[in-house]
Amino acid sequence: AQTVTQSQPEMSVQEAETVTLSCTYDTSESDYYLFWYKQPPSRQMILVIRQEAYKQQNATENRFSVNFQKAAKSFSLKISDSQLGDAAMYFCAYRMDSSYKLIFGSGTRLLVRP
Amino acid sequence: EPEVTQTPSHQVTQMGQEVILRCVPISNHLYFYWYRQILGQKVEFLVSFYNNEISEKSEIFDDQFSVERPDGSNFTLKIRSTKLEDSAMYFCASSLATGGLETQYFGPGTRLLVL
Repeated sequence: AQTVTQSQPEMSVQEAETVTLSCTYDTSESDYYLFWYKQPPSRQMILVIRQEAYKQQNATENRFSVNFQKAAKSFSLKISDSQLGDAAMYFCAYRMDSSYKLIFGSGTRLLVRP
Repeated sequence: EPEVTQTPSHQVTQMGQEVILRCVPISNHLYFYWYRQILGQKVEFLVSFYNNEISEKSEIFDDQFSVERPDGSNFTLKIRSTKLEDSAMYFCASSLATGGLETQYFGPGTRLLVL
């Protein structure tokens, strides 16, 4: 069965600095998709960034980028120039090509220090 | 920007009672989902729904659960006889399509407490 692991329950970053959130997953599938969702306090989850497994190039969305290492089954999220509004719970998620369901990690709470 | 909405935001019920959680997906979306998160645990998939049929369900989604799209805008999750272990945050999600990088858009959740 596929699993997603986020080993950092909580991370802290100084405003304007860079932080990396880790995510590893376990799958025997070759076609799958990876996502990072952000959940601000008392708000819904919103998509931050997504990656197709067959694409070697790492996805980038403004200050957010990923380091996708398919062989290592690692999908880390880098947030550059951290802002106070980045403070949230971040969830890594996996979906295999033949399924509708997202499989989530346990989440990392990101604190941003002013 | 369109959002998925859920009502109520909080619900308290007695064990054995039926509850209906309501969701209004984004209007042009065709695929609908329910997830839940028990306190301190991971977000777990329950069910996906398309064209008035369940397209996929998890082991959690047993006979006490049902989903329905009663009209053109609402999507509901019914729990027939609630148990203490059904206490969780329930998230509805919707997507325009499925497959590939299609994004699932989540609602804010309904916190269900079973006493």
